Amino acid sequence: DVKVTQSSRYLVKRTGEKVFLECVQDMDHENMFWYRQDPGLGLRLIYFSYDVKMKEKGDIPEGYSVSREKKERFSLILESASTNQTSMYLCASGTGTGTYEQYFGPGTRLTVT
Amino acid sequence: DQQVKQNSPSLSVQEGRISILNCDYTNSMFDYFLWYKKYPAEGPTFLISISSIKDKNEDGRFTVFLNKSAKHLSLHIVPSQPGDSAVYFCAAPEAGGGNKLTFGTGTQLKVEL
Repeated sequence: DVKVTQSSRYLVKRTGEKVFLECVQDMDHENMFWYRQDPGLGLRLIYFSYDVKMKEKGDIPEGYSVSREKKERFSLILESASTNQTSMYLCASGTGTGTYEQYFGPGTRLTVT
Repeated sequence: DQQVKQNSPSLSVQEGRISILNCDYTNSMFDYFLWYKKYPAEGPTFLISISSIKDKNEDGRFTVFLNKSAKHLSLHIVPSQPGDSAVYFCAAPEAGGGNKLTFGTGTQLKVEL
């Protein structure tokens, strides 16, 4: 089975702190994604990566950056956390060939106070 | 602009009855659709998909119907079970590579005893 793990299930940070969310997948997938989920807004893509050191902006990249130094690991960085970044953050991975299916991690519930 | 729309934020169904979740899309270039299921505090899990060359795909209690002329798809669950209570998202791959998915806003299904 594909496994996508995220470094924390719950996180509480203060406004202005730098926040790192890490995601690791064990299926050698080329593509990795970061989403946030908010009530009534569904899943919105923040950033994605289709190869090591490659990244592309998604629909809502403002206030975020990402890093992909190794194929299995994709990090989301909040440079200076703000209260409007309180959300559920979901990481996903996918093969990029032959199927559009993405496999999700359990999510990180981030609260910024 | 929301290219994949789920206009019903919630749906309540009695156990044993049919649940019908609807999804509309605006981009006629979409040629593949996926449904995901999400429980609270967990990541979404893939449920079923359909290619535009088909108008129906079935997997056990779950059937997805696609009406290309109406740009509409629906997920039927029959019979509904309490364990089906979750948020359901429809999604479609975007053009441009990387297998990005555009998600709808989700429908909360509640199956009551």
